[in-house]
Amino acid sequence: GAVVSQHPSRVICKSGTSVKIECRSLDFQATTMFWYRQFPKQSLMLMATSNEGSKATYEQGVEKDKFLINHASLTLSTLTVTSAHPEDSSFYICSATQGTGELFFGEGSRLTVL
Amino acid sequence: AQRVTQPEKLLSVFKGAPVELKCNYSYSGSPELFWYVQYSRQRLQLLLRHISRESIKGFTADLNKGETSFHLKKPFAQEEDSAMYYCALSVSAAGNKLTFGGGTRVLVKP
Repeated sequence: GAVVSQHPSRVICKSGTSVKIECRSLDFQATTMFWYRQFPKQSLMLMATSNEGSKATYEQGVEKDKFLINHASLTLSTLTVTSAHPEDSSFYICSATQGTGELFFGEGSRLTVL
Repeated sequence: AQRVTQPEKLLSVFKGAPVELKCNYSYSGSPELFWYVQYSRQRLQLLLRHISRESIKGFTADLNKGETSFHLKKPFAQEEDSAMYYCALSVSAAGNKLTFGGGTRVLVKP
């Protein structure tokens, strides 16, 4: 099956710094990638939809200047958490689709901001 | 806006017993419904989707448009079914954007 990989799986950073999380589709070209946020014991909340070569579409309430998304190629999307604060600590998950209707999920990246 | 509700946060059943996970949705159009499963320390993966009408790992789910439900059922639960289950809805006009329910944790006891 199709594989989506996220890196890093865990990251700890100091408050005020920026952190970049990568999402790669390893064996297929992803027309669209999605970024989610998951708080402990809660469901996945969609943050934004990322299409290759165009600006991401953010969900209501998600600060686009805070969570920068870049989708430079059909196999890579990045999420940068800028000027991170402790409240940004969370589990970030990406998913990708090649347009067939099925979504493939990455393993997630746990961000801890000190 | 669409919404997915999973009323049970935790379902605990004994091995061999039937298990049913409830999922209700609200959307005025014709959505596509999915069940995703997340086993311990693994990524989220698709379990089944209503349009395929498949039975995966003994699980089935029927879309009931009248009741706006998509309950997941398995007649005989196994210990390896212990996992987190998410019901999700996709609106075709929005591409593959999924709206997830809150999730139900299933614990199958020996």
